[in-house]
Amino acid sequence: DAMVIQNPRYQVTQFGKPVTLSCSQTLNHNVMYWYQQKSSQAPKLLFHYYDKDFNNEADTPDNFQSRRPNTSFCFLDIRSPGLGDAAMYLCATSGGTDPYEQYFGPGTRLTVT
Amino acid sequence: GENVEQHPSTLSVQEGDSAVIKCTYSDSASNYFPWYKQELGKGPQLIIDIRSNVGEKKDQRIAVTLNKTAKHFSLHITETQPEDSAVYFCAASISGYALNFGKGTSLLVTP
Repeated sequence: DAMVIQNPRYQVTQFGKPVTLSCSQTLNHNVMYWYQQKSSQAPKLLFHYYDKDFNNEADTPDNFQSRRPNTSFCFLDIRSPGLGDAAMYLCATSGGTDPYEQYFGPGTRLTVT
Repeated sequence: GENVEQHPSTLSVQEGDSAVIKCTYSDSASNYFPWYKQELGKGPQLIIDIRSNVGEKKDQRIAVTLNKTAKHFSLHITETQPEDSAVYFCAASISGYALNFGKGTSLLVTP
């Protein structure tokens, strides 16, 4: 089945230690997104790639970076995680038959100790 | 920017009853309104969406209505089942890229 895959599902990192989260997709969609979802809150868009064009949301902290080496993969880098960065990180894609429809992966739960 | 309000925050219904969740949006330029269902520990799943040129859309037990004049849209679930229990998010978007989510509604369907 075509899908959005996130690895790892659970990630523990230490305060200030860089961490990378991974997303891959088999949908061949041209747009990929990263959302942050804190406990009992709505997902919040951090940034998205339209093909190789990177689009950062205005209020996304500089501590968050992203890379998209090819159509299938996208990475979220957190350069110096703080306790406030503990959250579920969701990857999504769009660009299929209906270009507006976004399909989410299962998420990576990040814990910062 | 776009602001999406969602009500209620929690909703409890008995199996077989209907559930209605309402959202309002602030930006009249918004033209895409999806609804997502999120089960515990999982990513959001798109269940239905509607465009601004359509007033109502139905898919089996789920329907969404849109009132552009009043800037509100609603999710209707009929004949609810325990497996409908989840958190439901509405969202609004101008471009289709940046989804602005409501705060979510926790729906509990009791047998």
